[in-house]
Amino acid sequence: GENVEQHPSTLSVQEGDSAVIKCTYSDSASNYFPWYKQELGKRPQLIIDIRSNVGEKKDQRIAVTLNKTAKHFSLHITETQPEDSAVYFCAGTSYGKLTFGQGTILTVHP
Amino acid sequence: DAGVIQSPRHEVTEMGQEVTLRCKPISGHDYLFWYRQTMMRGLELLIYFNNNVPIDDSGMPEDRFSAKMPNASFSTLKIQPSEPRDSAVYFCASSLQTGSSYGYTFGSGTRLTVV
Repeated sequence: GENVEQHPSTLSVQEGDSAVIKCTYSDSASNYFPWYKQELGKRPQLIIDIRSNVGEKKDQRIAVTLNKTAKHFSLHITETQPEDSAVYFCAGTSYGKLTFGQGTILTVHP
Repeated sequence: DAGVIQSPRHEVTEMGQEVTLRCKPISGHDYLFWYRQTMMRGLELLIYFNNNVPIDDSGMPEDRFSAKMPNASFSTLKIQPSEPRDSAVYFCASSLQTGSSYGYTFGSGTRLTVV
């Protein structure tokens, strides 16, 4: 089955800096890679996703890149704000189910 | 649509008791997933259904756990008997696989505490 590795496990940045979170996956058949943001005590919520036929996707301050050859994808957050502080999860898809990375705790200091 | 609805939001029970968690998926979604989240193990997939049929239950930790989906709008996850190590947040999610979007959406979760 799919195995997704995510790093770093914690990331601390100053407001206005950029943050990058990286994931690798094992199943070459994976074709859909979403990113979820989970605030304390709340459900994971989809913030951006990318399909295997696309190399990069951007939505305002958030972007995701995918390298299928190397089986890795990354989340980029620019101009970070304190409200970006949360746990971020990447995921890979195999046979319709999502397998999640272990999560990255992002802290943005004002 | 109200989204994926889970109940109860919080459950505190004594070790050895039966616990039943409930989930109502988004109407029209034909996949339903049960996840367990803990600090140590992150988000683990326990079981998922397609069109009410269990497809993969390899994540169910042991025989004390069982899940059913009697119809397209309702699923249960049961733990009998419960143990303190079952304490976690249990999420239900549903999705609709189409050519353009999976629409994977989580419910608000049930925080289970077994004392």
